[in-house]
Amino acid sequence: GAGVSQSPSNKVTEKGKDVELRCDPISGHTALYWYRQSLGQGLEFLIYFQGNSAPDKSGLPSDRFSAERTGGSVSTLTIQRTQQEDSAVYLCASSLDRGSSYEQYFGPGTRLTVT
Amino acid sequence: GQSLEQPSEVTAVEGAIVQINCTYQTSGFYGLSWYQQHDGGAPTFLSYNGLDGLEETGRFSSFLSRSDSYGYLLLQELQMKDSASYFCAVRDPGSSGSARQLTFGSGTQLTVLP
Repeated sequence: GAGVSQSPSNKVTEKGKDVELRCDPISGHTALYWYRQSLGQGLEFLIYFQGNSAPDKSGLPSDRFSAERTGGSVSTLTIQRTQQEDSAVYLCASSLDRGSSYEQYFGPGTRLTVT
Repeated sequence: GQSLEQPSEVTAVEGAIVQINCTYQTSGFYGLSWYQQHDGGAPTFLSYNGLDGLEETGRFSSFLSRSDSYGYLLLQELQMKDSASYFCAVRDPGSSGSARQLTFGSGTQLTVLP
């Protein structure tokens, strides 16, 4: 079946512009996660959605970052007024439910470059 | 907060056995996962330990000791294609106390030599 998809695969933007990154999780997966990964580093948790519950936003680095999940499926991560330190690979993952969070399925990521 | 420590690099030869250790300090703990990531690729799930002991999946095994806050990933009969980064990740309650999200280590770069 289809895996997690993300778009765009690459995004180059100028400092100060807003960007939107999209994630389409595996059908039937109720849990969705956003991470970012800087070159050679581990994954930094950003935000977590579980079904219709309020998202866990504890990992968002600043109020320039926001995310939503519509209809319990597709999610969009928005970064406003981008800064050079926002340059990273943004990874989306999904799991069957909260209880299966140990086994997450990752998308290919969006490589964001802020110039 | 949560912190995980794993070696940054490990090198081994084809056919050998390698062990990647992971120690963790967390405010809550539900289990330890391992993920593999090839250069330019997405992380893929390898193994999970929710209880103490050894879990075996083909050439890969993972071990957990909750009393020692320690786990390891064991890779046997190494192949060139095993060259990748390996991440341990703690399943923790998150800020809400029930979210059970993953906190990842910084990763271990494994290089397999011919």
